Amino acid sequence: GAVVSQHPSRVICKSGTSVKIECRSLDFQATTMFWYRQFPKKSLMLMATSNEGSKATYEQGVEKDKFLINHASLTLSTLTVTSAHPEDSSFYICSARGGAGGRTNEQFFGPGTRLTVL
Amino acid sequence: GENVEQHPSTLSVQEGDSAVIKCTYSDSASNYFPWYKQELGKGSQLIIDIRSNVGEKKDQRIAVTLNKTAKHFSLHITETQPEDSAVYFCAASKGIQGAQKLVFGQGTRLTINP
Repeated sequence: GAVVSQHPSRVICKSGTSVKIECRSLDFQATTMFWYRQFPKKSLMLMATSNEGSKATYEQGVEKDKFLINHASLTLSTLTVTSAHPEDSSFYICSARGGAGGRTNEQFFGPGTRLTVL
Repeated sequence: GENVEQHPSTLSVQEGDSAVIKCTYSDSASNYFPWYKQELGKGSQLIIDIRSNVGEKKDQRIAVTLNKTAKHFSLHITETQPEDSAVYFCAASKGIQGAQKLVFGQGTRLTINP
């Protein structure tokens, strides 16, 4: 199946700093990428949807100025958590969709990034 | 909006026995129902999915059933093996071929006891 990678897998940062997470589709072109947040023992909550070359669409309650999303190419999307606070600590997961093996609507998930804000 | 409820949150079965995980959804317009397996360090993998025009789908030891009237769908794993241990998520979406966003259930941690 299609492969999606995320980098870094884990990151620890101080309050007030910014952290960038990368999501890459390794063997297919992703027209759409999704960013999710997962709390311990909870479901994946969609944060935003991004299409290559256009602005991301954020879900209700998600601050677009705090969670900056860039989808500059068909294989790369980035999520930047700005001015991080301890409550931003979470597991962030991306997924990518688009044309892989004919299953154009299937989402392929990255392994996730665990962010800890001290 | 859509709301997906998943039960149980944890499930422990003996190797070789069957495991069943159930999900209910609220939006009757939802038409695509995938199941994902999440293992530590790996991306969530689609293991099986079903569309609203069928009632059951099977792939080797895994099957999914859908009851549109009752708005619930279930994952069935038979002859369970230790490698089936993982967190399983159900999801629902709508639109053409389910192209709209996925709404996930809360997840079920399945443990297979040897």
